[in-house]
Amino acid sequence: GAVVSQHPSWVICKSGTSVKIECRSLDFQATTMFWYRQFPKQSLMLMATSNEGSKATYEQGVEKDKFLINHASLTLSTLTVTSAHPEDSSFYICSAISLLGGTQYFGPGTRLLVL
Amino acid sequence: QKEVEQDPGPLSVPEGAIVSLNCTYSNSAFQYFMWYRQYSRKGPELLMYTYSSGNKEDGRFTAQVDKSSKYISLFIRDSQPSDSATYLCAMSANSGNTPLVFGKGTRLSVIA
Repeated sequence: GAVVSQHPSWVICKSGTSVKIECRSLDFQATTMFWYRQFPKQSLMLMATSNEGSKATYEQGVEKDKFLINHASLTLSTLTVTSAHPEDSSFYICSAISLLGGTQYFGPGTRLLVL
Repeated sequence: QKEVEQDPGPLSVPEGAIVSLNCTYSNSAFQYFMWYRQYSRKGPELLMYTYSSGNKEDGRFTAQVDKSSKYISLFIRDSQPSDSATYLCAMSANSGNTPLVFGKGTRLSVIA
């Protein structure tokens, strides 16, 4: 099946710093990527939809200035958590849809811990 | 009422049992239905993908969709300890570039 990677797989940072998470589709091109956040024992909550070459669409309640999304190519989208705080600690997961259509394929997730 | 309802469990069964996992939903526009398996601290892995009503079988897994009742199921036959994971149902109204709406997930433990 299609492969989506994320980097880093986990990160620990101090409060106030910014963290960048990369999402790559390794064997297919994706015009659309999605960013989700998952808290312990909770389901995936959609944060934003990232389209290549255009601005991301954010879900209600998600601060676009805090969670910066850049979808610069058909295989790469980045999520930057700016001025991270402990409440931003979570599991961040991206997914991608192939240009050819079909369902979403998920990355392995990035665990963020803000101290 | 949430768009997608899923019993979080946990569900514990003996090895070899038949497992039934279910979700109900309220949005009649949903046409695409998926089941994902998520191991602890990992991203979700697609198990089954179904369009509209009907059954789909893949090995030990069978997905059923009943749009008239707004009810979907995933059956696992001959369950194995390696099936222990959280199972998430997901659905959308359109294919392509449409976000999925997820259930909360059901934690399954298969005991050897």
